Amino acid sequence: EVQLVQSGAEVKKPGESLRISCKGSGYTFTSYWTSWVRQMPGKGLEWMGRIDPSDSYINYSPSFQGHVTISVDKSITTAFLQWSSLKASDTAMYYCARQDSSGTGIDYWGQGTLVTVSS
Amino acid sequence: QSALTQPPSASGSPGQSVTISCTGTSSDVGGYKYVSWYQQHPGKAPKLMIYDVSQRPLGVPDRFSGSKSANTASLTVSGLQAEDEADYYCSSYAGNNNWVFGGGTKLTVL
Repeated sequence: EVQLVQSGAEVKKPGESLRISCKGSGYTFTSYWTSWVRQMPGKGLEWMGRIDPSDSYINYSPSFQGHVTISVDKSITTAFLQWSSLKASDTAMYYCARQDSSGTGIDYWGQGTLVTVSS
Repeated sequence: QSALTQPPSASGSPGQSVTISCTGTSSDVGGYKYVSWYQQHPGKAPKLMIYDVSQRPLGVPDRFSGSKSANTASLTVSGLQAEDEADYYCSSYAGNNNWVFGGGTKLTVL
């Protein structure tokens, strides 16, 4: 069974750093990209970027380039999303997802990690 | 890139059919066969319902179907059931290894 299990909810202050994780199992981790999707409170889905675990090649959405960093440790089949300096506007649910490299798009989703940034 | 355009809401009575549109441009929806649709119930992660414009993953009822014409993709839900009430999002490949979502449509079963 394909599973993507994300780390737990976080409450941070503006300016703090954060790294959240997503562990894939039940499939060959390096054969699929891992993508990250943001959902701000009461809003829609936004594709942030993706990483190819086989070679760590990354694509960022222009909207998120420079604001977040995506990384992976294939030895533990885990992808990461990190911020160096959080803002209140980063408050959102963040989903990781499995994405086929053919271009088809996302087929499996993690359960989401809620990030709250508040002073 | 801009989000794909979906109607904010749609509705239908049990047993009826409803179609949700997803309009993009020739650089995304119109340019590729990679349109997907996702269902999201409140407080839950999205679930893939349609991929590659019209393909259904295993386990998705055949009441759900997808199509595309020019720059507009559509999701049709036939034989509406109460459990179909949810938010629906389209997504498309947008070139240069980027993907884009629609703004979402809230489907209400009357």
